[in-house]
Amino acid sequence: NAGVTQTPKFQVLKTGQSMTLQCAQDMNHNSMYWYRQDPGMGLRLIYYSASEGTTDKGEVPNGYNVSRLNKREFSLRLESAAPSQTSVYFCASSKWDQETQYFGPGTRLLVL
Amino acid sequence: GQQLNQSPQSMFIQEGEDVSMNCTSSSIFNTWLWYKQDPGEGPVLLIALYKAGELTSNGRLTAQFGITRKDSFLNISASIPSDVGIYFCAGPRVSSGSARQLTFGSGTQLTVLP
Repeated sequence: NAGVTQTPKFQVLKTGQSMTLQCAQDMNHNSMYWYRQDPGMGLRLIYYSASEGTTDKGEVPNGYNVSRLNKREFSLRLESAAPSQTSVYFCASSKWDQETQYFGPGTRLLVL
Repeated sequence: GQQLNQSPQSMFIQEGEDVSMNCTSSSIFNTWLWYKQDPGEGPVLLIALYKAGELTSNGRLTAQFGITRKDSFLNISASIPSDVGIYFCAGPRVSSGSARQLTFGSGTQLTVLP
């Protein structure tokens, strides 16, 4: 099993450009999550999907949209990138009704 | 809202030394999780704690769920170079349906000197 996979690993964008970060899990988990990690601030939840067909805002959703494409895949979209969105983005998944989350390797995004 | 205060922010220790770090909150948590993040990687779960007072070990790592349910501690014994990384505590926020939103501490950066 690959666990949680994310693409791309690195990306450089110009202000105003758009992009989609992809995430997939092969653990048959119901719930999936998107976090961003900034220096000294830990991980902050952007959006999550409790189950296929549902998505909800987390702590810092502004400037992002998500799509739960199917049970395996959960994408994060930046419609108009801003320098403040320079960060490392992590996708995670968990079994239904369990706290333990499993993380992907991250996408490092630089917005110029 | 629920916040986790993690300390120390960073530690520089000699190989072979023991390490202690802790996490505190003004709110009660029913679960405490400890994750480690290697440089350039995603966080990996080390230990999960589910009961107040619980003491759980995973190799050289030992974690405790504080009796007040507002704190947790992680100890690493006889540190080795591969212990280098960032250690995060986390706990579930108010749940929404079946998804468990986690609150994370800001992390403890551990450096092990040879």
